[in-house]
Amino acid sequence: DIQMTQSPSSLSASVGDRVTITCQASQDISNYLNWYQQKPGKAPKLLIYDASNLETGVPSRFSGSGSGTDFTFTISSLQPEDIATYYCQQYDNLPTFGGGTKVEIK
Amino acid sequence: EVQLVESGGGLVQPGGSLRLSCAASGFTFSSYAMSWVRQAPGKGLEWVSAISGSGGSTYYADSVKGRFTISRDNSKNTLYLQMNSLRAEDTAVYYCAKCFGIAVADYFDYWGQGTLVTVSS
Repeated sequence: DIQMTQSPSSLSASVGDRVTITCQASQDISNYLNWYQQKPGKAPKLLIYDASNLETGVPSRFSGSGSGTDFTFTISSLQPEDIATYYCQQYDNLPTFGGGTKVEIK
Repeated sequence: EVQLVESGGGLVQPGGSLRLSCAASGFTFSSYAMSWVRQAPGKGLEWVSAISGSGGSTYYADSVKGRFTISRDNSKNTLYLQMNSLRAEDTAVYYCAKCFGIAVADYFDYWGQGTLVTVSS
């Protein structure tokens, strides 16, 4: 199985800050990497697919980059509505998720 | 509008069985692979199983292989998950998720609201 190591597990930032989350795969997964946002009590929502493609309707402050084993998810200017847990997910092989990053407002 | 509505969750004793259903609407159901993803209380997401659009190919996480069976009825636009030999560690919210493609579990562009399965005596 491909393991996904996501960091940090939690972070606290101020409104307007740039927030960066990383995800590392245990082997090369090309660009088969997606990012989801999950708010408390809600289902996850797809934000970024294939490492860097913004899902339709998702604000442009969200972005993703990377390939191979190292990936980055960025919120360019944190907004109050971005408070959530974010997950990476690979699909080079059977899907696996990272452990999640809980984002809070400082 | 794409809608996925899960049902069938509840309380079951260890060793028991349960069948989850997911009613889909708003898209051509048979043209897309479908998956089940679960989330234990306070924990992260875990992919459980996937099935191709035709139903001819199925995939399972090691943690459920041999105990869970995924299936679909394309005439009823419904996805199923038969769960047998349930364990306490299967306790979770189970989400039905639509895959982007027809053949494999790639990314999940639509999700249901989830159904809670509790395995306890």
